[in-house]
Amino acid sequence: QKEVEQNSGPLSVPEGAIASLNCTYSDRGSQSFFWYRQYSGKSPELIMFIYSNGDKEDGRFTAQLNKASQYVSLLIRDSQPSDSATYLCAVKGRVTGGGNKLTFGTGTQLKVEL
Amino acid sequence: DTAVSQTPKYLVTQMGNDKSIKCEQNLGHDTMYWYKQDSKKFLKIMFSYNNKELIINETVPNRFSPKSPDKAHLNLHINSLELGDSAVYFCASRFRGDTEAFFGQGTRLTVV
Repeated sequence: QKEVEQNSGPLSVPEGAIASLNCTYSDRGSQSFFWYRQYSGKSPELIMFIYSNGDKEDGRFTAQLNKASQYVSLLIRDSQPSDSATYLCAVKGRVTGGGNKLTFGTGTQLKVEL
Repeated sequence: DTAVSQTPKYLVTQMGNDKSIKCEQNLGHDTMYWYKQDSKKFLKIMFSYNNKELIINETVPNRFSPKSPDKAHLNLHINSLELGDSAVYFCASRFRGDTEAFFGQGTRLTVV
């Protein structure tokens, strides 16, 4: 079982729709959860992070965390063509086990169509 | 004024050669990483250094050797390059315990 799993996509949504990206993780002791966006040929950039169960909203982005289900998601409202990118879920392990290790999923490619 | 800078950005080399990739961060972070991103976009950690000390060493061939002369620099030396080493290598840095890891622009290594 992979440590962090994502559907590779591509996920296609029409402009203005809500894009929902999902991620599951295997280490129940994981501490922190991150969503990175990576445009083709560019480096990953952080867009959201979440530590606690529930929702965290930042502009058009909402991160949702359910530690009992070991599930984290990212919602993008009013999707724009500029949101088209690969979204990487990353999980920070427990301090004793993984130290400062950030483990990434394989990413989900999002395509926002006009 | 780039926060995390890597050189070179592109590297094309023949099998069997030895090459180095350099990384420098001017953010004052104490932890630096090397990640490898393969053709399927999977970003896998290779090494992590905290204040020049190796703290994470994933299952990476011995041909890969990181070196951290100070906490602002983390270089990666690769001996006897193989075709399977072709990938994009990202350097990143962060404060230990802080949230965000900042990535360099990546080095696209092509072994022919």
